[in-house]
Amino acid sequence: DAMVIQNPRYQVTQFGKPVTLSCSQTLNHNVMYWYQQKSSQAPKLLFHYYDKDFNNEADTPDNFQSRRPNTSFCFLDIRSPGLGDAAMYLCATSREAGGGYEQYFGPGTRLTVT
Amino acid sequence: AQSVSQHNHHVILSEAASLELGCNYSYGGTVNLFWYVQYPGQHLQLLLKYFSGDPLVKGIKGFEAEFIKSKFSFNLRKPSVQWSDTAEYFCAVNRKFSGGYNKLIFGAGTRLAVHP
Repeated sequence: DAMVIQNPRYQVTQFGKPVTLSCSQTLNHNVMYWYQQKSSQAPKLLFHYYDKDFNNEADTPDNFQSRRPNTSFCFLDIRSPGLGDAAMYLCATSREAGGGYEQYFGPGTRLTVT
Repeated sequence: AQSVSQHNHHVILSEAASLELGCNYSYGGTVNLFWYVQYPGQHLQLLLKYFSGDPLVKGIKGFEAEFIKSKFSFNLRKPSVQWSDTAEYFCAVNRKFSGGYNKLIFGAGTRLAVHP
């Protein structure tokens, strides 16, 4: 089945130790998104790629970066995780960037910072 | 501030009860509206969407939602809930921002628990 896959599902890292979360898709969609979701809160968009064009949200901390080496893969890098970065990280894709296109979500990676 | 508001954070119902979850947004102009559902341990998935046309939208699993433009609302309804509807429900609005790209803005979610 075509889908959005996130690895790992659970990640524990130490305060200040860089961590990379992975997302892959078999949908061949042009757009890939990364969201941060804290407990009992709405998912918050961090950034997205339209093909190779990177779009960063204005309030996304510099600590968060992303790479999209090809259509299928997108990575979220947290350079120096703080305790406040503990959250669920969701990857999503959509065929195009227009408002009428549904986003397809992966299962998420739950990040714990110790 | 522009936002998406879901009125109830937690809803508890018995099976066969009717459900209505409120969603209001504060954006003017053209918007596309969505309800996503997240079942326990699973990923967010689309329940239904409104782009244009008939303001009453039918979704999967017997859900429907009504877009009322004058009230900036997109409430989710189901006449008779089942235990399997226990999940978290997110309302979302997709709108165009400067720079030409679209952004999905989520509400905080409503956690629904249905008791047998």
